[in-house]
Amino acid sequence: GQQVMQIPQYQHVQEGEDFTTYCNSSTTLSNIQWYKQRPGGHPVFLIQLVKSGEVKKQKRLTFQFGEAKKNSSLHITATQTTDVGTYFCAGDFGNEKLTFGTGTRLTIIP
Amino acid sequence: GAVVSQHPSRVICKSGTSVKIECRSLDFQATTMFWYRQFPKQSLMLMATSNEGSKATYEQGVEKDKFLINHASLTLSTLTVTSAHPEDSSFYICSASRAGGPETQYFGPGTRLLVL
Repeated sequence: GQQVMQIPQYQHVQEGEDFTTYCNSSTTLSNIQWYKQRPGGHPVFLIQLVKSGEVKKQKRLTFQFGEAKKNSSLHITATQTTDVGTYFCAGDFGNEKLTFGTGTRLTIIP
Repeated sequence: GAVVSQHPSRVICKSGTSVKIECRSLDFQATTMFWYRQFPKQSLMLMATSNEGSKATYEQGVEKDKFLINHASLTLSTLTVTSAHPEDSSFYICSASRAGGPETQYFGPGTRLLVL
């Protein structure tokens, strides 16, 4: 079946260090979306990537979509305590349904 | 814009009872609504896709007779967990995609269900 794998499962970083989470799909994606879920909260949409090789930036966050549209990454520069949460990628295989990755839980050491 | 609400936010019920969860798009029309379930420290798993005026499409392994979905209007979908059991305790989240808009899904705040 169509699966979206995400690594790492957990990441603990010192405040100010960078953080990256990676997503891999078993098959080509129509688009990929990224969400952030704070502890006890619900997923909040961050961004959608559609084009092959696309790179988008939101302040300290950089999102990339692979050339083959099967992988993606989220990179956070100089993490802050407000970045704490679980980051999910979610792939759309062209049927407008989202298949969520397993998520990467980011904790920040002050 | 693109606000989705869910009610109730939290519910505790006895085993064997039914629980209804409402999902509303407050400021847009949603042709499609999605229902997810999330167990603690796990990812979101799609349960079903709900289109206004038609029957919901359930994912493999999700019992349609246990999780009744009704999408009566372009702004409201309901999920009823029938004869709930403790293993149904979970975080239920709905999302809605805007009619005529991009594929982005807007998520509701979720409903925490605890079945005793």
